Amino acid sequence: KAGVTQTPRYLIKTRGQQVTLSCSPISGHRSVSWYQQTPGQGLQFLFEYFSETQRNKGNFPGRFSGRQFSNSRSEMNVSTLELGDSALYLCASSLRAVNTGELFFGEGSRLTVL
Amino acid sequence: ELKVEQNPLFLSMQEGKNYTIYCNYSTTSDRLYWYRQDPGKSLESLFVLLSNGAVKQEGRLMASLDTKARLSTLHITAAVHDLSATYFCAVDGSGGGADGLTFGKGTHLIIQP
Repeated sequence: KAGVTQTPRYLIKTRGQQVTLSCSPISGHRSVSWYQQTPGQGLQFLFEYFSETQRNKGNFPGRFSGRQFSNSRSEMNVSTLELGDSALYLCASSLRAVNTGELFFGEGSRLTVL
Repeated sequence: ELKVEQNPLFLSMQEGKNYTIYCNYSTTSDRLYWYRQDPGKSLESLFVLLSNGAVKQEGRLMASLDTKARLSTLHITAAVHDLSATYFCAVDGSGGGADGLTFGKGTHLIIQP
């Protein structure tokens, strides 16, 4: 069974640019959530999508946005990049049905902003 | 605001020894998760604890949850080098995961021969 796939794995951008990251969840999983990991702030929740609807959003500025498609694949976008956006962005998928709600994480997209 | 505190944040121990990592959280929750992360890698799910008194074991690792004390522990028995990693606990404070998980800062564990 394929795991969570994130692309691209690594990318370098400059300040002011925008970036789009993609996440394909485990087959059958309908929930996709995104987390930002930095050495200073640790792991922080960005947002979660379920059946194409954003269920909740963490404490991030509006420059961070996302969406989910009918096949459960998700994208997140960061506009007007700042140096502080350099981070590992992790996507996680979950069944979110009557099970444990366990999250399965992808390998992440490592973004460097110069 | 849900706060999750892990301690210690850094732990260096010898092979064969036992140790416990603690995870305290600030609000009521009955869903707690433990993850492992190797350098440059993603998060690997270790345990999902869903009720007060839950105890789960896998190999040399055992996790428990006390929802009344808002405390979870990850116990390492007879540590081996392969267990060197960063361990995170995470709490679902909403009851349904709608707010996402709140993670502790992680315990960086080094196991030396």
